[in-house]
Amino acid sequence: RKEVEQDPGPFNVPEGATVAFNCTYSNSASQSFFWYRQDCRKEPKLLMSVYSSGNEDGRFTAQLNRASQYISLLIRDSKLSDSATYLCVVNQGGKLIFGQGTELSVKP
Amino acid sequence: GAGVSQSPSNKVTEKGKDVELRCDPISGHTALYWYRQSLGQGLEFLIYFQGNSAPDKSGLPSDRFSAERTGGSVSTLTIQRTQQEDSAVYLCASSLAAGVGETQYFGPGTRLLVL
Repeated sequence: RKEVEQDPGPFNVPEGATVAFNCTYSNSASQSFFWYRQDCRKEPKLLMSVYSSGNEDGRFTAQLNRASQYISLLIRDSKLSDSATYLCVVNQGGKLIFGQGTELSVKP
Repeated sequence: GAGVSQSPSNKVTEKGKDVELRCDPISGHTALYWYRQSLGQGLEFLIYFQGNSAPDKSGLPSDRFSAERTGGSVSTLTIQRTQQEDSAVYLCASSLAAGVGETQYFGPGTRLLVL
């Protein structure tokens, strides 16, 4: 079993749609949590950190449930430019553990 | 300011040859990390440095892989006697410090192809 598991995708959605990504992690010692975005043949870039209290950044909302070891990302009013692979990431002792990623394709 | 830089951007080598990959972290970042991304494996941690020391090298896949960092800045990842399964994108990241809440910023990667 992978340490960080995500929806396999791909998600194909129309512009303006709301899309949700889910992720679970197996190591309860994981200490911090992130969503990264990776465009094709590019490096991962931090999208947002994830906290138990939930956090929002414009159209993006992330949530952490430590008891269930579950992380989510909600994208509202999706844009063509949101098309990318979304990586669920946990930090264990300083090193990042990545999920396999979920590919999102937003169509006109 | 300048981000993390890596060189070369692409490297093609023959099986059995040694390769060296270089990473220049963001200026002032004390922590430096190496990851690799290969088809079917996703992104996996290799090693990280705090200053010039490597507290965690648990992700290095074999003793053919080694890394060093000198002067608390540039790092080199060396792969000896390359094998075809070493083909991957090798990504370097840096952060201000090695804390669990620190953001890691990634370089563009080195695409390694072993023929």
